[in-house]
Amino acid sequence: SQTIHQWPATLVQPVGSPLSLECTVEGTSNPNLYWYRQAAGRGLQLLFYSVGIGQISSEVPQNLSASRPQDRQFILSSKKLLLSDSGFYLCASRFDSNEQFFGPGTRLTVL
Amino acid sequence: DQQVKQNSPSLSVQEGRISILNCDYTNSMFDYFLWYKKYPAEGPTFLISISSIKDKNEDGRFTVFLNKSAKHLSLHIVPSQPGDSAVYFCAASEGYGQNFVFGPGTRLSVLP
Repeated sequence: SQTIHQWPATLVQPVGSPLSLECTVEGTSNPNLYWYRQAAGRGLQLLFYSVGIGQISSEVPQNLSASRPQDRQFILSSKKLLLSDSGFYLCASRFDSNEQFFGPGTRLTVL
Repeated sequence: DQQVKQNSPSLSVQEGRISILNCDYTNSMFDYFLWYKKYPAEGPTFLISISSIKDKNEDGRFTVFLNKSAKHLSLHIVPSQPGDSAVYFCAASEGYGQNFVFGPGTRLSVLP
């Protein structure tokens, strides 16, 4: 079965600082990978998805970017964080099924 | 425009009774639906799914009903247990392997 690791678990960053969140997947090869954000009181918003190394699709225009340097590694970045970037960030993986498996998430607070 | 709606932000139910969580969608191309359960500070976990060729799918205490003509689905939990207290997300996709659209979630509280 797939296991998704995310770190850090929590992060507090000042406005204007850079961001790097990492997600790695075990137990599968060539999965589809996803970054979601859950803002306070809202649902899960799909930010990026990737069907392979170096292939990134963006769902919404924003201050963030994503990269997939290795098959089972997915990184979410920002050069300068905004207050509105605060939220709970979730990485998910899907391989050979129609369900997505989620990681434990990263709580980001931008002050 | 929200394509997947969960109009009840919260729901409280007594232990042992039935919990019914509702979900409505606007996109008639959606043909695969899932429910996820999420505890605080954790990632969502898959609960149950249904494809548009069915109108009911059951897994233990959990049953999902789909009414395609009304573009409505519901999750029934019987009997409800305190451990079921969580946020429940409804999600839909336009086909196998397509991206999901999630609803805003419903917070279920099961009272002992």
